[in-house]
Amino acid sequence: AQTVTQSQPEMSVQEAETVTLSCTYDTSESDYYLFWYKQPPSRQMILVIRQEAYKQQNATENRFSVNFQKAAKSFSLKISDSQLGDAAMYFCAYSGSGGGADGLTFGKGTHLIIQP
Amino acid sequence: SQTIHQWPATLVQPVGSPLSLECTVEGTSNPNLYWYRQAAGRGLQLLFYSVGIGQISSEVPQNLSASRPQDRQFILSSKKLLLSDSGFYLCAWNKRRSNEKLFFGSGTQLSVL
Repeated sequence: AQTVTQSQPEMSVQEAETVTLSCTYDTSESDYYLFWYKQPPSRQMILVIRQEAYKQQNATENRFSVNFQKAAKSFSLKISDSQLGDAAMYFCAYSGSGGGADGLTFGKGTHLIIQP
Repeated sequence: SQTIHQWPATLVQPVGSPLSLECTVEGTSNPNLYWYRQAAGRGLQLLFYSVGIGQISSEVPQNLSASRPQDRQFILSSKKLLLSDSGFYLCAWNKRRSNEKLFFGSGTQLSVL
C-alpha cells in the first residue's frame, strides 16, 4: 500500500519570506499523481498544485512550486513571498494512475503559520 | 460547471443515535464518489468509495456504511453512533475511470456526545 509522510507537523515563516514543506511517499508504481492541498480555517480542501510522475518538469502555480525528486520519492512544496492568506494546513497526497478509483492517499498534514 | 453539495455542515448527535449525511454532485455524470474522515489534527482517512450506483467499496471496517442510490448522490450512514465516530467528514468526487484530483465538499463536523 502507498504511504505519504509529512515529517513537519508545523512550520512558521515570516510574511514575504519563502518556506518549503516536505513530503515523501512510498510506492512501487512508475506512474502516478502527486498533489498538494490547502485546508484553511474554513476547512474547505483546495487543490494547490498537481504533478504527474512521468513529467520531469516541476509544476508551478504562481507563488507555489514543487521540487519533485522521483528517485528519492520526494515531493516538496515551495511557497514564495508568503502571504497571510497562505496560513493553513497543507496536505500532500498521492494517487495511482492505473485507471482505478480508490482515491487519494493523504499525509497527516503540515500546519503553516505566517508571522506578520 | 461542476459543484458538490454536502450537508449538514454541523451535527451533534447522542451516542447510539442514527446518522445520515448526504452528498450530491451537479454538472457531471458517472463520477467516482468518496467519503473521507478527518480526525482532529490528523490527515484524511478514506472510508468508502463508489464507481457507480449501488457499488460501494469500504476501506476501513467500522460502524459506518455508505450507499449510492442515484448516480450523483452518496450517503453515509450509521445505525448507532459511537463516540469514536466524531470527526470531520468530507465528501469528494473525481472523473470516472480516473484517479485524478479530487474535488471536495465543504464538510460536516460531527460531534457524538
